[in-house]
Amino acid sequence: GAGVSQSPRYKVAKRGQDVALRCDPISGHVSLFWYQQALGQGPEFLTYFQNEAQLDKSGLPSDRFFAERPEGSVSTLKIQRTQQEDSAVYLCASSLGSGLSSYNEQFFGPGTRLTVL
Amino acid sequence: DQQVKQNSPSLSVQEGRISILNCDYTNSMFDYFLWYKKYPAEGPTFLISISSIKDKNEDGRFTVFLNKSAKHLSLHIVPSQPGDSAVYFCAASDGGGGSNYKLTFGKGTLLTVNP
Repeated sequence: GAGVSQSPRYKVAKRGQDVALRCDPISGHVSLFWYQQALGQGPEFLTYFQNEAQLDKSGLPSDRFFAERPEGSVSTLKIQRTQQEDSAVYLCASSLGSGLSSYNEQFFGPGTRLTVL
Repeated sequence: DQQVKQNSPSLSVQEGRISILNCDYTNSMFDYFLWYKKYPAEGPTFLISISSIKDKNEDGRFTVFLNKSAKHLSLHIVPSQPGDSAVYFCAASDGGGGSNYKLTFGKGTLLTVNP
């Protein structure tokens, strides 16, 4: 595809349920990012992958959040035992370069809106 | 503690006039600044950026100004068009230590351009 895609676009979960959010980055992009955007806020960094390696997970809010990118392309963000405060839009972004030595433009997907009841 | 602040939640301007969106930051280690534009139900899209070694960057109708001493940047859109109506996010990164990838965003400003 031409851009970053995410699925599902909308997810409603009951409190305590586990959820898995998928991100398909732009083909060939080395870097992949997950952000969380709460209502009325800007996106907040969660985690960063360079290929299959998770180089930074400093933004993950708790050990209930887990992300993986096993083959260096598609990524999954998993949230275990969801809580109401997890309700947010989860944005995935990818960039061609590593973004380590200089900034590389990040291309964002449309997001997954998670609502925890 | 908000390191990137957009104090105006919304701004309304007339078509053809100038739109000025403002952003303040507190972290003096930020060295790269970006503006993203977001339409409803879409992800943010990159608009324009500026490095801390510059004080101005221009791209068509969009100009970003950086005042490092005041820790302030602004986005000027001239002339404003109805299609510019969107939420605009200011973002910054701290390049020290190889973390240019980590963006810190403001809360956004909703720009409405009236025909």
